[in-house]
Amino acid sequence: DAGVIQSPRHEVTEMGQEVTLRCKPISGHDYLFWYRQTMMRGLELLIYFNNNVPIDDSGMPEDRFSAKMPNASFSTLKIQPSEPRDSAVYFCASSPGVDPNQPQHFGDGTRLSIL
Amino acid sequence: GESVGLHLPTLSVQEGDNSIINCAYSNSASDYFIWYKQESGKGPQFIIDIRSNMDKRQGQRVTVLLNKTVKHLSLQIAATQPGDSAVYFCAPSAPNNAGNMLTFGGGTRLMVKP
Repeated sequence: DAGVIQSPRHEVTEMGQEVTLRCKPISGHDYLFWYRQTMMRGLELLIYFNNNVPIDDSGMPEDRFSAKMPNASFSTLKIQPSEPRDSAVYFCASSPGVDPNQPQHFGDGTRLSIL
Repeated sequence: GESVGLHLPTLSVQEGDNSIINCAYSNSASDYFIWYKQESGKGPQFIIDIRSNMDKRQGQRVTVLLNKTVKHLSLQIAATQPGDSAVYFCAPSAPNNAGNMLTFGGGTRLMVKP
């Protein structure tokens, strides 16, 4: 079974550059989540979608961050302009059904380093 | 300089022994709980879940116990193996304005000694 697929696995770029992270959820899953994981704050929910519609973006740190889900099989998280403090591992997860009380399935993340 | 960050509790066990990882949660409205395992360089992986109408659930080599009275759950791993070495997260489902959402604690690092 294909799980959640994220790309790229690693990204190193200079501050000020635009960064785009990509996610393909598990087919048939109605919910998609973006998380950020750092040593300082652990795993933080940034935003989640239900049926391609953003439901809660209260975790997005600031206007430099934006997320889209143009269709059921693809989502992007964009940072523009990027800053060194954005360095983290970014995870995408998806879950089935219309009830969020179901397990979320995670991708293997994108390790982002902003120099 | 001083290193500042999350201090992960660490449990060190001998291969073959049983492991017990504990988790306390604060929201009494939590009604669904998941345990995840995260190996180095990978995303959290679903292990087992339990709903609040149960106090015990068993999987393959794993058992989750839920005590709603004291808001505590535990993950028991039988006959711990080196492949069990990872960070383990409990994730209670807590209600917010947008619906029930999982919240992740800081995790516990399990180290298995051969």
